[in-house]
Amino acid sequence: DIQVTQSPSSVSASVGDRVTITCRASQGVSSWLAWYQQKPGKAPRLLIYAASSLQSGVPSRFSGSASGTVFTLTISSLQPEDFATYYCQEAKSFPSLSFGGGTKVDIE
Amino acid sequence: EVQLVQSGAEVKKPGESLKISCKGSGYSFDTFWIGWVRQLPGKGLEWMGIIYPADSDTRYSPSFQGQVTISVDKSIGTAYLQWSALKASDTAIYYCAREYTKGGFDIWGQGTMVTVSS
Repeated sequence: DIQVTQSPSSVSASVGDRVTITCRASQGVSSWLAWYQQKPGKAPRLLIYAASSLQSGVPSRFSGSASGTVFTLTISSLQPEDFATYYCQEAKSFPSLSFGGGTKVDIE
Repeated sequence: EVQLVQSGAEVKKPGESLKISCKGSGYSFDTFWIGWVRQLPGKGLEWMGIIYPADSDTRYSPSFQGQVTISVDKSIGTAYLQWSALKASDTAIYYCAREYTKGGFDIWGQGTMVTVSS
């Protein structure tokens, strides 16, 4: 089974900061990787699919990139509404898939 | 509007059975995979399994195989997650979600809170 490991598990940042979250896959997943944002008490929201494609309606300050088995979610300028938990999810063996452990972004 | 609407919160006793639902609307229900995701209190997301409504092709995470059953009634655009004998450790929020492309889930239900307590 493919494992995805997120880092860091938490990050403290200020409004306007650039924030980077990393997801490392245990083996190649091609571009079968997505990123989600979850706020307390809410369902997850798809931000990025196919490693780097921005989901409709998601602000352009969010971006995804890939280098081999390492995937990155970048928030270019953190906004107050971006404080949340972020998850990566791989689906190379779709319909089987797995989630990363999550990264909580909170206020510094 | 494309949406998934889940059934309401449940409170059950250990050993009881339960079936929760996820109704899709605003799109062709048959042709998109529907996945189920568990979130334990204060914890991360766990993929449980997934079903393709058109032919009921179903896959389970090894962690949930034999523990739950996923099914679908495409005539009414509804997917289900069921337990035959709940345990206290099944207390969690359960989400259904529609697979969009490359395994990304673009539409999520609002979640169903299941509480199992004696």
